[in-house]
Amino acid sequence: GENVEQHPSTLSVQEGDSAVIKCTYSDSASNYFPWYKQELGKGPQLIIDIRSNVGEKKDQRIAVTLNKTAKHFSLHITETQPEDSAVYFCAARSGLGYSTLTFGKGTMLLVSP
Amino acid sequence: DARVTQTPRHKVTEMGQEVTMRCQPILGHNTVFWYRQTMMQGLELLAYFRNRAPLDDSGMPKDRFSAEMPDATLATLKIQPSEPRDSAVYFCASGLTSGRQPNTEAFFGQGTRLTVV
Repeated sequence: GENVEQHPSTLSVQEGDSAVIKCTYSDSASNYFPWYKQELGKGPQLIIDIRSNVGEKKDQRIAVTLNKTAKHFSLHITETQPEDSAVYFCAARSGLGYSTLTFGKGTMLLVSP
Repeated sequence: DARVTQTPRHKVTEMGQEVTMRCQPILGHNTVFWYRQTMMQGLELLAYFRNRAPLDDSGMPKDRFSAEMPDATLATLKIQPSEPRDSAVYFCASGLTSGRQPNTEAFFGQGTRLTVV
């Protein structure tokens, strides 16, 4: 089955800096890669996703890049703000059969004012 | 405001007791997932339903866990008997699927924090 590795496990940045979180996946059939943000006491919420026919996608201060050859994808947050502090999860889903999301272990992002 | 609703939000129980967690998926969604979240294992898929039928429950310990969808508006996850190692946050998520692949993202509920003492 799919295996998703996520790094780093914790990331501390100063407000205004950029933050980058990286994930690798193992299943070459995976074609959908969402990123979720989880705030304390809440469930994960989708913030951005990318499909395998696209190399990059942006939404305001967040962007995701995908390298299918290397089987890795990354989340980029620019001009970080304290409210970006949360746990971020990457995930991957195969395009074959009745597949479900496989999540990375998460990255705790702390943005200091 | 469409959302996945989970009850209870918190549950503390003694080892050996039965625990039932409930989930109301977003109206119109036909796919329901149960996940367990722990510090060590992260988010693990326990069960996956589509149109109320279980498609995959391979992640669930069969001897003590059971998941059902009595109707389209209710999904339940039961643990009997509960053990301290079951302490975790249990999330329900729902989505819409036609064909083999989902049409929408998985929308998560707020979770049930279970503590077994």
